[in-house]
Amino acid sequence: GAVVSQHPSWVICKSGTSVKIECRSLDFQATTMFWYRQFPKQSLMLMATSNEGSKATYEQGVEKDKFLINHASLTLSTLTVTSAHPEDSSFYICSASEGTFSIGHYGYTFGSGTRLTVV
Amino acid sequence: GQNIDQPTEMTATEGAIVQINCTYQTSGFNGLFWYQQHAGEAPTFLSYNVLDGLEEKGRFSSFLSRSKGYSYLLLKELQMKDSASYLCAAMDSNYQLIWGAGTKLIIKP
Repeated sequence: GAVVSQHPSWVICKSGTSVKIECRSLDFQATTMFWYRQFPKQSLMLMATSNEGSKATYEQGVEKDKFLINHASLTLSTLTVTSAHPEDSSFYICSASEGTFSIGHYGYTFGSGTRLTVV
Repeated sequence: GQNIDQPTEMTATEGAIVQINCTYQTSGFNGLFWYQQHAGEAPTFLSYNVLDGLEEKGRFSSFLSRSKGYSYLLLKELQMKDSASYLCAAMDSNYQLIWGAGTKLIIKP
């Protein structure tokens, strides 16, 4: 089945530094990548949607200058948390879609998630 | 607005059956997903329904009623490893997933 590889699995960084999270689709072309964050005991919150070769579409309330998304190829998307602060500590998850959808589709494929802790 | 409702937490006994309900309101509808998420891990796909009725897949089944905006996930022969959060997500007319807050299922021996 479809696999999305997400790295790193966890990262601890100092306040004010930047962190880059990568998501790669290993056996399919990810036309669309979704980036989510999840706080403890809460559901997934969509941050942004990116299509290969174009600018990401950010959800309301998500700072695009703080959360930089690059989707330069059909197999790689990155999320960079710039000037991270403790309140950015969260579980970040990517998911990918081939862009086609029909009955029998096995849903969007999720990466394994990145736990970010900013100290 | 768009909204997904599901119970916050449920408790069941090992070997029993449990039904997790989900109601949704979306702008257009392109299907209903159920995902399982263990603590600290990413969600994994369980089922997708876009037509009314019951879809059975081993111990797990999912039901959809489009006219009622209602779905449920049925888990049979519960095992301890089924302890997890179960996320309901409806896909709107733009193929965006609208997520519920998740139902934490606790399995007791």
